[in-house]
Amino acid sequence: AAGVIQSPRHLIKEKRETATLKCYPIPRHDTVYWYQQGPGQDPQFLISFYEKMQSDKGSIPDRFSAQQFSDYHSELNMSSLELGDSALYFCASSYTSVSYEQYFGPGTRLTVT
Amino acid sequence: SQKIEQNSEALNIQEGKTATLTCNYTNYSPAYLQWYRQDPGRGPVFLLLIRENEKEKRKERLKVTFDTTLKQSLFHITASQPADSATYLCALGGSQGNLIFGKGTKLSVKP
Repeated sequence: AAGVIQSPRHLIKEKRETATLKCYPIPRHDTVYWYQQGPGQDPQFLISFYEKMQSDKGSIPDRFSAQQFSDYHSELNMSSLELGDSALYFCASSYTSVSYEQYFGPGTRLTVT
Repeated sequence: SQKIEQNSEALNIQEGKTATLTCNYTNYSPAYLQWYRQDPGRGPVFLLLIRENEKEKRKERLKVTFDTTLKQSLFHITASQPADSATYLCALGGSQGNLIFGKGTKLSVKP
């Protein structure tokens, strides 16, 4: 069965640079979520999209933005990167018209040096 | 603000025993509660979802209970195996669908 795809899997950036993370949800899933997980921490919700419209916002810094495109893939854009942005970034998708269970991608490990 | 507590950071049990993990929450009335498994460096994997009007749910060796009066969920793994060793995350869901995770309990099953 198709799973959530994230790219790149690993990304190394320097402070003040920008990064773009991509997510391809499971086909026919109508909702995409982004989470940030720091070392030894639980995943923290950043932002979500339902049918390409932003549906909810969590603890997402103003330096970050996200969007979902017509083909349902989503991108998380991160600017003015800080050392504290180093984390695993997960994308998840769900078919909320049926159930709220979420399917997570393998994550993008972002390292800011 | 909403708060989720999972009873312990780590739980060590012997193979074949039942593992019981606890999730307590405050300042929240979730429509449903979910349990996920996470292995190091990998994304959480959905296990079970239980709604506010359900008391118990089962799936193979897994069982989850949900007590909205006590604001508590219990997650059981029966006949535990070393392959069950992982971090288990409790998550609350709201009407918008986003999840609020607990810190997780790291389960180690010794052969």
